[in-house]
Amino acid sequence: GESVGLHLPTLSVQEGDNSIINCAYSNSASDYFIWYKQESGKGPQFIIDIRSNMDKRQGQRVTVLLNKTVKHLSLQIAATQPGDSAVYFCAENMSGPGRRALTFGSGTRLQVQP
Amino acid sequence: DVKVTQSSRYLVKRTGEKVFLECVQDMDHENMFWYRQDPGLGLRLIYFSYDVKMKEKGDIPEGYSVSREKKERFSLILESASTNQTSMYLCASSLSPGLAGPGVNIQYFGAGTRLSVL
Repeated sequence: GESVGLHLPTLSVQEGDNSIINCAYSNSASDYFIWYKQESGKGPQFIIDIRSNMDKRQGQRVTVLLNKTVKHLSLQIAATQPGDSAVYFCAENMSGPGRRALTFGSGTRLQVQP
Repeated sequence: DVKVTQSSRYLVKRTGEKVFLECVQDMDHENMFWYRQDPGLGLRLIYFSYDVKMKEKGDIPEGYSVSREKKERFSLILESASTNQTSMYLCASSLSPGLAGPGVNIQYFGAGTRLSVL
């Protein structure tokens, strides 16, 4: 079946550096994507989303880039802080009726070194 | 803020027991979901519900059932728990995707229930 995946299972960065977490998706019908952050002992928390009619969206210290040509999604975190250490998941969804559930990737662990 | 509450953080059960995992959301969301999370496998959808008394199978429904008698509550039932159902279980809720506008498919998660079946 079609799935969402991640290139790197673990990413280690220095505090203050920028982080880039990548995600490949295979369902060409997906038109909505979400990034979640999951800290130890907690459920996933929404970070940022993007629809397929956009190729970039910015939030506070985070930017999501979407390349539909190669079906690639990335999350950029500026000036990474220790509190950013967590597992990050991308998820895809087909908007509209008939499909309400998200398909998640397996996650990337971000470790921020002081 | 949206709040999704799972009744237990940790549960230990024996093989063959019937197990109920409860989830309540306070934002009047139409959709509710149950996932299990295992190392290296990410989140896998067990069941979801888009309305009271309505349910749909997810990717791994075998060995599970669900109940949605009220809009705010979605229960996951393990009829006869087995050791391979030891996992972290996550509940989520979201608005109906029929609404226009951005962010309608954002799922909000509870803190999770870590179930051990011995």
